[in-house]
Amino acid sequence: AQSVTQPDIHITVSEGASLELRCNYSYGATPYLFWYVQSPGQGLQLLLKYFSGDTLVQGIKGFEAEFKRSQSSFNLRKPSVHWSDAAEYFCAVLRNQAGTALIFGKGTTLSVSS
Amino acid sequence: EPEVTQTPSHQVTQMGQEVILRCVPISNHLYFYWYRQILGQKVEFLVSFYNNEISEKSEIFDDQFSVERPDGSNFTLKIRSTKLEDSAMYFCASTKWDNTEAFFGQGTRLTVV
Repeated sequence: AQSVTQPDIHITVSEGASLELRCNYSYGATPYLFWYVQSPGQGLQLLLKYFSGDTLVQGIKGFEAEFKRSQSSFNLRKPSVHWSDAAEYFCAVLRNQAGTALIFGKGTTLSVSS
Repeated sequence: EPEVTQTPSHQVTQMGQEVILRCVPISNHLYFYWYRQILGQKVEFLVSFYNNEISEKSEIFDDQFSVERPDGSNFTLKIRSTKLEDSAMYFCASTKWDNTEAFFGQGTRLTVV
């Protein structure tokens, strides 16, 4: 069965420092991969997605992610974190068939210290 | 920008009562979903809906749950007899025909007491 693992439950980063959030997936073929962000009391907002092609994808708010097939990973990065980036981040995988569901990881809570 | 809207934002209900959570998906979207997130846990898929019928459901989506698209705009989730463990944030989502990007609503926080 498909699964998504986010090994880090909680990460604290200083404002201005770089960030990397890890995500590993388990799936037989190349899945569609997503990162969502959830600010407190808010819904889920899509940061970026990977379907095929260039393995480095750019998203909103200065985020990027790199798909590495050999490692079954799709890690999220940002060169310089802002205090407003504090939120919960979810990696998700979608089987590439119409009508199927997103499978989410457990999420990583990002705190930003000043 | 079009968005998925959910009402109410917070609902408190007594155990055993029926609740209906409402969602208005984006107007030109074809696939509709309900997910839930129990406090402190991951977002879990409940059900997907396409062409006026359920296309997929998880093991969570038992006989206590039902979904309906009563008109051209609303998409509802009904829980017939709520249990304490149904307390969670419920998210509605919708996608276009290609199902490649899900747009989520702000969620309804359901509290069963």
